[in-house]
Amino acid sequence: QSVLTQPPSVSAAPGQKVTISCSGSSSNIGNNYVSWYQQLPGTAPKLLMYENNRRPSGIPDRFSGSKSGTSATLGITGLQTGDEADYYCGTWDSSLSLWMFGGGTKLTVL
Amino acid sequence: EVQLVQSGAEMKKPGESLKISCKTSGYGFTSYWIGWLRQMPGKGLEWMGIIYPDESETKYSPSFQGHVTISADKSINTAYLQWSRLKASDTAMYYCARLYGDYRYWYFDMWGRGTLVTVSS
Repeated sequence: QSVLTQPPSVSAAPGQKVTISCSGSSSNIGNNYVSWYQQLPGTAPKLLMYENNRRPSGIPDRFSGSKSGTSATLGITGLQTGDEADYYCGTWDSSLSLWMFGGGTKLTVL
Repeated sequence: EVQLVQSGAEMKKPGESLKISCKTSGYGFTSYWIGWLRQMPGKGLEWMGIIYPDESETKYSPSFQGHVTISADKSINTAYLQWSRLKASDTAMYYCARLYGDYRYWYFDMWGRGTLVTVSS
C-alpha cells in the first residue's frame, strides 16, 4: 500500500476537465516538492510536472499542478483521448529517506 | 541529448543471478543520482533505490534492501541493478531514471525504456 494516496481511477468526456489528487503527510508532500508522471499504455513513464506546478518543455498548458499542505493535485483540461494513461505522483520522504510514488490513477476519457 | 539505454529483456530461472544495465549519455554521469524502479505486471511504480555514481553512494528502499545491489561504472557511464538469487516474484519491468535537482526538489526527469525480467522455472 502506497504512502501517497491517489484515486485508482478517474474519467471524463473529451473536452472536459479532470483533477487527480495525491495525499501524503508532513514528512513528504508537506515539506518537499511533488512531481507527476504520465505512463501511456505500454510505454515508460514520462515526467509531466515537477516542483509542484512546473511543466517540462513540450508539456501543454492543459496540464497544471498545485500543492496545498500535505496534498497535491494534477489538473487536465480539454481532455483528449490521447490523455488516457496512468498518472503517478511522487516525492521524497524526509523522515524515511526514500522516494515514494502514489499508487497511480488510471484516466479514462469516455 | 540525454539518453538512458537499458539492456534487453531477460528470462531466468529461480535461484539464478542477473545484472541489468542502464547506459547513459549526453550529460555528466557522475553529477546526478540514478534510480531504479520496479513495475510488476499490472501494478504501479515502486522505488527500489538510487546511486550517486561519483561516490557510489546508494540509498535503498527497505523493501528491496538486501535483495538487490545497485552499482555504477563511471568509466562507461553505466548503472547496474543485480540480483544474486532471483525469485519468481522478481518478474517485472525495471526502469532506470535520472534524478534531477536537490533532494527536496528531486524529480525523475529522464527515463529508460525499461528492461523486462521474467523469472520462471
